Amino acid sequence: ILNVEQSPQSLHVQEGDSTNFTCSFPSSNFYALHWYRWETAKSPEALFVMTLNGDEKKKGRISATLNTKEGYSYLYIKGSQPEDSATYLCAFTNTGNQFYFGTGTSLTVIP
Amino acid sequence: KAGVTQTPRYLIKTRGQQVTLSCSPISGHRSVSWYQQTPGQGLQFLFEYFSETQRNKGNFPGRFSGRQFSNSRSEMNVSTLELGDSALYLCASSRKFLALEETQYFGPGTRLLVL
Repeated sequence: ILNVEQSPQSLHVQEGDSTNFTCSFPSSNFYALHWYRWETAKSPEALFVMTLNGDEKKKGRISATLNTKEGYSYLYIKGSQPEDSATYLCAFTNTGNQFYFGTGTSLTVIP
Repeated sequence: KAGVTQTPRYLIKTRGQQVTLSCSPISGHRSVSWYQQTPGQGLQFLFEYFSETQRNKGNFPGRFSGRQFSNSRSEMNVSTLELGDSALYLCASSRKFLALEETQYFGPGTRLLVL
């Protein structure tokens, strides 16, 4: 079983603050890194899929970067809003065709 | 376009019983993957079906099995239930086989409680 670690485990920020969190994964046999947002009582929603080292993706105020050589990805949220409150999950896939999810970072944005 | 649906949404069973969960993917999606989430654990991959064939399996005992029908709907079966099987079971669908680069779309989940 491969280890995908996310930090911090939880985070409280004030509305308007920018924040970021980390996903660490094994750098060998890398294939893709996915980020999901999971709001309470809803289904996980895909944010990004990244495959290339140095890749950077952006969706509104949320962006993500990828470093496959050192095995980490950052997710950034600029100007956090209360609706950004959710658990953010990353999932690593390797050439063995399986998904390994981290335990998530729980973000609470305080109005 | 309708999303991924799962039935039932909630289920209570007792130890030793078996249970079958159902997942209907988004129309046109041929891959269905199943995941288990227990308290304090991340999502654990159970298995993936594509075109009625199990393509991939996670590290779960043989009590966990599944199948996929010709219309891509999938069922997951857990036999001889144990207390530790209490969890949220999610399924996800994608157009192609296991969403290595594809986006997976998740259903709302089935929450199973084993007493």
